[in-house]
Amino acid sequence: EPEVTQTPSHQVTQMGQEVILRCVPISNHLYFYWYRQILGQKVEFLVSFYNNEISEKSEIFDDQFSVERPDGSNFTLKIRSTKLEDSAMYFCASSPGENLSYEQYFGPGTRLTVT
Amino acid sequence: SQQGEEDPQALSIQEGENATMNCSYKTSINNLQWYRQNSGRGLVHLILIRSNEREKHSGRLRVTLDTSKKSSSLLITASRAADTASYFCATDRWNNNDMRFGAGTRLTVKP
Repeated sequence: EPEVTQTPSHQVTQMGQEVILRCVPISNHLYFYWYRQILGQKVEFLVSFYNNEISEKSEIFDDQFSVERPDGSNFTLKIRSTKLEDSAMYFCASSPGENLSYEQYFGPGTRLTVT
Repeated sequence: SQQGEEDPQALSIQEGENATMNCSYKTSINNLQWYRQNSGRGLVHLILIRSNEREKHSGRLRVTLDTSKKSSSLLITASRAADTASYFCATDRWNNNDMRFGAGTRLTVKP
């Protein structure tokens, strides 16, 4: 069964450094998402991406964040200058398309630790 | 905010009992979905129910949706220890399929 994959599973970085989290969505999906979950808290929407552009973003997704689909398979989340409060699990998700089910398939997550 | 809010926050039951978790939301929705998350792991999709549906079943899971009360419930029948996890509801709006999650219910099923 196709699945969303994410790499790395755990990333440790120093405050102020740039990190890139990588996701490979399910191949025939058209919508891509990033969510984060701070330890012990709820899952929070960051951004959705469709047709090579951001379709919606939350208030969390400020200028420090960017997303890209550099090729036909990868979908990346970049944090330019990490802060301690960026430490969280980051989940990528994908869904088939606008006229189909909105069911989103989640990856296993990347645990980001900012020290 | 249209985020779902689950209650109870935590639920502890014995194996074999039924578990009922509730979710309320604030604005009109297109779909409501229930997800499961084992501790420290990713989210697993359980059921999607559309705004024009009232009830759906999947195995031991039963989901209801009452749009007049802006609420949904997830019933797990004949619970097993392996059902121990956090359960989240998530909603999306018309023409906008980003999802907003609730805080989740932590279910513990004791063997």
